[in-house]
Amino acid sequence: GQNIDQPTEMTATEGAIVQINCTYQTSGFNGLFWYQQHAGEAPTFLSYNVLDGLEEKGRFSSFLSRSKGYSYLLLKELQMKDSASYLCAPDASGTYKYIFGTGTRLKVLA
Amino acid sequence: SQTIHQWPATLVQPVGSPLSLECTVEGTSNPNLYWYRQAAGRGLQLLFYSVGIGQISSEVPQNLSASRPQDRQFILSSKKLLLSDSGFYLCAWSGARAVEQYFGPGTRLTVT
Repeated sequence: GQNIDQPTEMTATEGAIVQINCTYQTSGFNGLFWYQQHAGEAPTFLSYNVLDGLEEKGRFSSFLSRSKGYSYLLLKELQMKDSASYLCAPDASGTYKYIFGTGTRLKVLA
Repeated sequence: SQTIHQWPATLVQPVGSPLSLECTVEGTSNPNLYWYRQAAGRGLQLLFYSVGIGQISSEVPQNLSASRPQDRQFILSSKKLLLSDSGFYLCAWSGARAVEQYFGPGTRLTVT
């Protein structure tokens, strides 16, 4: 079966670092997406990891361990505008269908 | 550059009424197209996807249907809406290699 597990909510302070974890179980696997979704808006693409390891893109980094079924999104130097939901989405192999988790709602406090 | 449009942005419809939501993509050809629904406090649920004109795959059996009359047009329809159809409907596209998906602005549907 397909299963994605993320914390429901996290709170952090402006300027801090936060790590959002995602564990997944899928019947196939090509890679894993992270999307950001502000309240009332559409999701926007953040990253796509295919290989194990850390990929850095500005203040955001994403890590993948295929053998452990685990990924995390690392946000550095948090800003108020980073308050949003972060969706983890495994790309099941060859199906065009990405399985979105319910997301982690991040609140950044001043 | 590619852009994706959805309309209407918001819609309030009574139970039992029909529905038609439209999505169009510009700046690309032969995209994969997707319809998702996001109910309040829940994750994105894939409803339909299409890899070409007239080719529709349904993920969740329900009272909704989808059609792709043109390469860059995707339509979500219902003959009779239910209260449970309320939600945020998102259209998305991806390239033929089906890597990242890009979402439209969404339609917020309230069924009363």
